[in-house]
Amino acid sequence: GENVEQHPSTLSVQEGDSAVIKCTYSDSASNYFPWYKQELGKRPQLIIDIRSNVGEKKDQRIAVTLNKTAKHFSLHITETQPEDSAVYFCAASKTDSSYKLIFGSGTRLLVRP
Amino acid sequence: EPEVTQTPSHQVTQMGQEVILRCVPISNHLYFYWYRQILGQKVEFLVSFYNNEISEKSEIFDDQFSVERPDGSNFTLKIRSTKLEDSAMYFCASGLAGRTGELFFGEGSRLTVL
Repeated sequence: GENVEQHPSTLSVQEGDSAVIKCTYSDSASNYFPWYKQELGKRPQLIIDIRSNVGEKKDQRIAVTLNKTAKHFSLHITETQPEDSAVYFCAASKTDSSYKLIFGSGTRLLVRP
Repeated sequence: EPEVTQTPSHQVTQMGQEVILRCVPISNHLYFYWYRQILGQKVEFLVSFYNNEISEKSEIFDDQFSVERPDGSNFTLKIRSTKLEDSAMYFCASGLAGRTGELFFGEGSRLTVL
């Protein structure tokens, strides 16, 4: 069935360094790939998304890349700050069915001051 | 900014009891969802709802679960006979569908089954 794998499960970086989180998906028909940030006890919040007709998208310190051939997509956070510390989830969906999101297992990012 | 609202924020119940979790999706959205997140784990899809019927459900969504949109604004998840393993955070989400695909999540309802 549909599956999204996410790595690493935990990531610790020094403030100012970059962080990269990687995901792979199994369903080649997936065409929408959002990233969510979840702080402890809070709802998942969309931080960036990318569609299958685009290879890269950037929003200030956050960027996402997509390789459809390899079924990989990645989140890049540059100049990390302590407030970036949270759990990050990738997800995938097909926008031609129920539009449901299949989530990865999450990456706990810790940015050390 | 419109947002998805959920009640209650936290419910404690005894095993075997029925629970109803309520959600008010964003008013012009057409697709509605329930997701579950067991503590420390990933967000898992339960069910999607469109045009007043279930459009898709996961293996988790067995006969003890049901959803309803009784009045055109509320979207409810009922768990008929709760089990210990139903303890989790339940998130409601809604979306416009079409080309966007973006889902908006509520703050969640934490269910604790004793």
